[in-house]
Amino acid sequence: DIQMTQSPSSMSVSLGDTVTITCRASQDVGIYVNWFQQKPGKSPRHMIYRATNLADGVPSRFSGSRSGSDYSLTISSLESEDVADYHCLQYDEYPFTFGSGTKLEIK
Amino acid sequence: VQLVESGGGLVQPGKSLKLSCSASGFTFSSYGMHWIRQAPGKGLDWVAYISSSSGTVYADAVKGRFTISRDNAKNTLYLQLNSLKSEDTAIYYCARRWYFDFWGPGTMVTVSS
Repeated sequence: DIQMTQSPSSMSVSLGDTVTITCRASQDVGIYVNWFQQKPGKSPRHMIYRATNLADGVPSRFSGSRSGSDYSLTISSLESEDVADYHCLQYDEYPFTFGSGTKLEIK
Repeated sequence: VQLVESGGGLVQPGKSLKLSCSASGFTFSSYGMHWIRQAPGKGLDWVAYISSSSGTVYADAVKGRFTISRDNAKNTLYLQLNSLKSEDTAIYYCARRWYFDFWGPGTMVTVSS
């Protein structure tokens, strides 16, 4: 199975910060990486697809990038509504696998 | 687009349960669908996928115990859970499309004696 190693597991952040979360794939997954936002008690929300594409309705301060087997989600100028858990997913090969998640907390 | 899961509850180990995911606001028959679960306080765990033509794929942890199916006439996705174990305790979500573009709110399954 493909492992998605997500880091950090948690981050203490301030409003206005630029935040970057990374997932490293254990083997080539091409562009087939998504990012999801999950707020407490809610289901995940689709944020980024195919590594770099912004899903409908997602603010432009969110972006996705790829460098080799490293995939990153960046939030520019963090707002209070962005405080949540974030999950990466590879959907290149079955079984599809998620990263372990990153929890953003306000300092 | 709306997805609403139902059928969760408290069940004893070894017993069965059938989850449903009712879809509306899109042409259900044209889309593949997933089940994903999340144990309390844990990360997301992909469970199964059914294509628009009803081809299926399962995670190893549930293969042979869980069955994903769909009824396009009823716009409903199902997950039959058999031989349940305590480690199956989780919120179960359905999600649309190969790349998970829309999720339901989930239904809680608790396996305990």
